[in-house]
Amino acid sequence: RKEVEQDPGPFNVPEGATVAFNCTYSNSASQSFVWYRQDCRKEPKLLMSVYSSGNEDGRFTAQLNRASQYISLLIRDSKLSDSATYLCVVKGAGNMLTFGGGTRLMVKP
Amino acid sequence: EPEVTQTPSHQVTQMGQEVILRCVPISNHLYFYWYRQILGQKVEFLVSFYNNEISEKSEIFDDQFSVERPDGSNFTLKIRSTKLEDSAMYFCASRAPATFVREQYFGPGTRLTVT
Repeated sequence: RKEVEQDPGPFNVPEGATVAFNCTYSNSASQSFVWYRQDCRKEPKLLMSVYSSGNEDGRFTAQLNRASQYISLLIRDSKLSDSATYLCVVKGAGNMLTFGGGTRLMVKP
Repeated sequence: EPEVTQTPSHQVTQMGQEVILRCVPISNHLYFYWYRQILGQKVEFLVSFYNNEISEKSEIFDDQFSVERPDGSNFTLKIRSTKLEDSAMYFCASRAPATFVREQYFGPGTRLTVT
């Protein structure tokens, strides 16, 4: 089983749609999680940390389900500029980041 | 907004040559990292560095790789004898002390092409 697993997509959605991505992780001892976004051939950009209680930042909501070992990211009112690859990340010892393969989102006009 | 910077943006080298990739982390950050991403694959951790020594390293980070903080601003990754399979995007990242935002911020990357 991969350490961090994501559906590669692509998810094709119209502008204004709500879209959700899930990510599963294999190490039940993992404590900290982050979402990054990556545009084509660019660096990962921090999107949001994932807190146990769930957290929201504008149109973005992150949730953690420890029992099922998955993290989700919800994007409301999708914009064209949201088109990117969304990377699920598990933080390990020494803050080492383990990345999933990413989920590609394409928002269409 | 402060940023991590990396030079060069693209490096082409021949197999067996040494390369040094350079990074300038965000100025008040104390933790430094290197990652790589082979085209079409996921981002992979290479090494973390704190207080002038390696904190963690992955299996990828073998004896061909080394890191250094030669002065107060630069953080370098050296590959002694490059192989074709070292061709990848190399990202530097840095993180502030624990009392601040604890997440890593990435530089724009250096694309290394080994021929």
